[in-house]
Amino acid sequence: EVQLVQSGAEVKKPGESLRISCKGSGYSFTSYWITWVRQMPGKGLEWMGRIDPTDSYTNYSPSFRGHVTISTDTAFSTAYLQWSSLEASDTAIFYCARLRVGGTDLDYWGQGTLVTVSS
Amino acid sequence: QSALTQPASVSGSPGQSITISCTGTSSDVGGYNSVSWYQQHPGKAPKLMIYDVSDRPSGVSNRFSGSKSGNTASLTISGLQAEDEADYYCSSYTSSSTLYVFGTGTKVTVL
Repeated sequence: EVQLVQSGAEVKKPGESLRISCKGSGYSFTSYWITWVRQMPGKGLEWMGRIDPTDSYTNYSPSFRGHVTISTDTAFSTAYLQWSSLEASDTAIFYCARLRVGGTDLDYWGQGTLVTVSS
Repeated sequence: QSALTQPASVSGSPGQSITISCTGTSSDVGGYNSVSWYQQHPGKAPKLMIYDVSDRPSGVSNRFSGSKSGNTASLTISGLQAEDEADYYCSSYTSSSTLYVFGTGTKVTVL
């Protein structure tokens, strides 16, 4: 069974750093790109970026480029989303999702990680 | 790159059919057969319902169907059921630097 299991909820202060994770299982992790999606409280979905676990090639949405970093560790079949300096506006649920091979859709999703940034 | 435009809400009675529209431009919806639809129940992760405009993943009910005309894609839910009450988002590949764009989302209410 394909699963993407994300790390638990986080509460951070502005200016702090954070890395959240997404562990894939039940499939060949290096065969599928991973995408990260943001959902701010009560709002819609926003595409943040994607990574090819084979070579760590990444694409970022202009809205998020320079503010977050997407990476993977193939030894642990895990993708990461990290911030070096959080802002209150980063408060949201973050989902990882698998990009279907040869397609542009997201066929499996993690359960989401709630990040709360507050002083 | 602006979000694709969806109606904020659509409602219907059990057994009826409803259609959700998703309007973009020739740079996204109109330019590629790469429209997908996602269902999201409150507090849950989105679920893929339609991909490549009209294809259904294994396990998704055939009551869900997709189509596209020009710059507008549509999701139709036939034989509406209480369990269909959720938020629905369209998505498309785009030629802009964003690469992918989601719709604004539509809340479906079963009366």
